[in-house]
Amino acid sequence: QLQLQESGPGLVKPSETLSLTCTVSGGSISSSSYFWGWIRQPPGKGLEWIGSLYYSGTTYYNPSLKSRITISVDTSKNQFSLMLSSVTAADTAVFYCARLLLGRYFFEYWGQGTLVTVSS
Amino acid sequence: QSALTQPASVSGSPGQSITISCTGTSSDVGGYNYVSWYQQHPGKAPKLMIYEVTNRPSGVSNRFSGSKSGNTASLTISGLQAEDEADYYCSSYTSISTVVFGGGTKLTVL
Repeated sequence: QLQLQESGPGLVKPSETLSLTCTVSGGSISSSSYFWGWIRQPPGKGLEWIGSLYYSGTTYYNPSLKSRITISVDTSKNQFSLMLSSVTAADTAVFYCARLLLGRYFFEYWGQGTLVTVSS
Repeated sequence: QSALTQPASVSGSPGQSITISCTGTSSDVGGYNYVSWYQQHPGKAPKLMIYEVTNRPSGVSNRFSGSKSGNTASLTISGLQAEDEADYYCSSYTSISTVVFGGGTKLTVL
């Protein structure tokens, strides 16, 4: 059974960089059949796609966040990561990692989510 | 990219049917059969309910169905049950190789 688990600091100061990791278990992140993605949800608000990544390193980013985000993969650890720079209070959200089938644009498996608060 | 448009809320009584709409453009919903729907209960991660407009993942009740006409996709839930009360989100692939979500719809079972 595939499982995804987000991890990282729950509190980040304004103007700093938010860093999260998604650890994949029960499956290989290097499988050629899947993309991996990040989605966020501010408290009481809707879902926002952040970006997606293929194990080879190919990435697709939300245009509204593109200048501030980096998504990368560490196949040796079966993990992928998100970095979001220059954060403000508006970046406070629950962050989810998820898996997509290659060429098919839906999120079939999700992590439980982790809340990141931006505050001094 | 702009979020897809969903009604903020819908409601129905147990046993009834409801439909949630999701309106986009020809660059997303109307241009591709890559619309999906997610159910989210409070404090939980979203759950995939419909993918590629009409397909149900294994384990999802056949009371849930999806359709699309032009730039608007729809999720229909028949035989409403109390457990269906949740937030529902649509999403679509877009012409610039991104994914966009709808603003979400709160379903209340009366």
